[in-house]
Amino acid sequence: GAVVSQHPSWVICKSGTSVKIECRSLDFQATTMFWYRQFPKQSLMLMATSNEGSKATYEQGVEKDKFLINHASLTLSTLTVTSAHPEDSSFYICSARGLAVISTDTQYFGPGTRLTVL
Amino acid sequence: ELKVEQNPLFLSMQEGKNYTIYCNYSTTSDRLYWYRQDPGKSLESLFVLLSNGAVKQEGRLMASLDTKARLSTLHITAAVHDLSATYFCAVSNYGGSQGNLIFGKGTKLSVKP
Repeated sequence: GAVVSQHPSWVICKSGTSVKIECRSLDFQATTMFWYRQFPKQSLMLMATSNEGSKATYEQGVEKDKFLINHASLTLSTLTVTSAHPEDSSFYICSARGLAVISTDTQYFGPGTRLTVL
Repeated sequence: ELKVEQNPLFLSMQEGKNYTIYCNYSTTSDRLYWYRQDPGKSLESLFVLLSNGAVKQEGRLMASLDTKARLSTLHITAAVHDLSATYFCAVSNYGGSQGNLIFGKGTKLSVKP
């Protein structure tokens, strides 16, 4: 089946620093990748959608200058949280959609990255 | 704007009992997903429902879709402790960002012996 990995799985950083999270599709080409954020005991909220080779589309209320997304290849998208603050602490989950085995419309979720900003 | 509502949000049940989780959505969509999430983990795909009247079963879980009523159900039969988790339904948002998913708030299921 289609596998999506994320790295790192967890990260702790100091306030004001930047953190990069990678999302990779391991066995298929992901034409579209989605970045979600999940606060404790809440649902997943879409942050942005990225397509390979083009600028990401951000959801309303998500600061594009703070959450930088790069989808440089069909197997890799990165989310950089710039100047992180404690309120950015959350569980970040990516999903990938593309020319998968089962369906071109199915999204495959990564294992998530837990970010803690001190 | 597509909205997805789940109920109940919390469900405590005894082993061996049956229960149903409901998922209502506000606008037309022909693709509904059910996911399971264990604490600290990502999402595990349970079911993809693609058409009106679709019914899928896996073990003690059965999901159905009524696109006319904009309703999906996740039925739990003879619950066991291992089913304790949070269950999310999600609907494809064809009017949004390239078909992203809109999630319900989730139902936290706790199965007690």
